[in-house]
Amino acid sequence: GNSVTQMEGPVTLSEEAFLTINCTYTATGYPSLFWYVQYPGEGLQLLLKATKADDKGSNKGFEATYRKETTSFHLEKGSVQVSDSAVYFCALAPNSGGYQKVTFGIGTKLQVIP
Amino acid sequence: NAGVTQTPKFQVLKTGQSMTLQCAQDMNHNSMYWYRQDPGMGLRLIYYSASEGTTDKGEVPNGYNVSRLNKREFSLRLESAAPSQTSVYFCASTLTASSNQPQHFGDGTRLSIL
Repeated sequence: GNSVTQMEGPVTLSEEAFLTINCTYTATGYPSLFWYVQYPGEGLQLLLKATKADDKGSNKGFEATYRKETTSFHLEKGSVQVSDSAVYFCALAPNSGGYQKVTFGIGTKLQVIP
Repeated sequence: NAGVTQTPKFQVLKTGQSMTLQCAQDMNHNSMYWYRQDPGMGLRLIYYSASEGTTDKGEVPNGYNVSRLNKREFSLRLESAAPSQTSVYFCASTLTASSNQPQHFGDGTRLSIL
């Protein structure tokens, strides 16, 4: 079956540091890949997505590139802010007609300190 | 811009009690989902409704029932609550049942069962 692997953290960084959160996946076919962010006390929000190999998703200074050869979709940001403190979820969705289960990673908690 | 609204936000139950978690969306989405979020396990799908009038089991349906009341509303019922059902429950929706669409989440219901 499909799976998504990411570290649970917490990842602690100082403000303006460079961020990388690794995400690797196992899937049949060519899935779509997502990063969601969850702020304290809230639900998940879509951060970015990529639907095919070599696509780069970007939003709010965050980027991730769909790497089929390494089955990865690592999240990066050049300079984090305290307001980026949240839990980040990598997710995989099959690209097929109709509904098939979306697979979420366990979430990586990011703490940014001033 | 309400999006997906869940009620209640918090609930404490005793073992054996029943309750219904409510979810409503105002985005005219066709598909709705119930997840539970547990530490170290990410999000797991309980039930989903691809369209009004249909419901299907997800990966952890035991102990739960759902009702798609109309296009806007999708409720989750615990008939006889157990401590293992202590969790944070999220409702989500998508425009169609295509898996590669981003999901829109509510803010969650935090449920404790004593």
